[in-house]
Amino acid sequence: DTEVTQTPKHLVMGMTNKKSLKCEQHMGHRAMYWYKQKAKKPPELMFVYSYEKLSINESVPSRFSPECPNSSLLNLHLHALQPEDSALYLCASSQESGPRFYEQYFGPGTRLTVT
Amino acid sequence: DQQVKQNSPSLSVQEGRISILNCDYTNSMFDYFLWYKKYPAEGPTFLISISSIKDKNEDGRFTVFLNKSAKHLSLHIVPSQPGDSAVYFCAASSNQASSNTGKLIFGQGTTLQVKP
Repeated sequence: DTEVTQTPKHLVMGMTNKKSLKCEQHMGHRAMYWYKQKAKKPPELMFVYSYEKLSINESVPSRFSPECPNSSLLNLHLHALQPEDSALYLCASSQESGPRFYEQYFGPGTRLTVT
Repeated sequence: DQQVKQNSPSLSVQEGRISILNCDYTNSMFDYFLWYKKYPAEGPTFLISISSIKDKNEDGRFTVFLNKSAKHLSLHIVPSQPGDSAVYFCAASSNQASSNTGKLIFGQGTTLQVKP
């Protein structure tokens, strides 16, 4: 059983739609991450939240808007996406400090298709 | 510029034998290394990690070796099982002075197939 959950599992949206991806972690972690993964490629970091504050934005286009309502929840709001944004979107969490804060635990991902 | 490289896109081994997956890195500032396993349509699963102050870490069938002078790490799986068939990613991180959050840099992945 994964302790990082993501909804929905699959999402198909048009280029004019507005949708949101949701992530919840039950590990007591204070750092949360959004990654994008294309087929046969490694995950690429998009955003990092630390103690509910955005700490890293990897120059992601503004059509992706992250939100961290509390320490357990992370959202990714999507608007006016392009077909090339179709990918697996992964959420992860980790401790924010201590010897094991590098170890990130991933959710199962949301498979996004933009038509 | 690819800072973490997995030069073998695929590896095939017989059940019961050893699987050795390799990873090279270029950034000497990396101080923590991790291996993840990924099945299709699932998120990566954390397997094992190693700090740069160590040269070996073992967890059951999985052992990670780090050679800092060569900037090389490897994952050994002994004995290999068919359920180990997956994509394996190595990842590296450094403790940046400006942020204590571990940004991971992933390699391209190696697809391991363990044949019964």
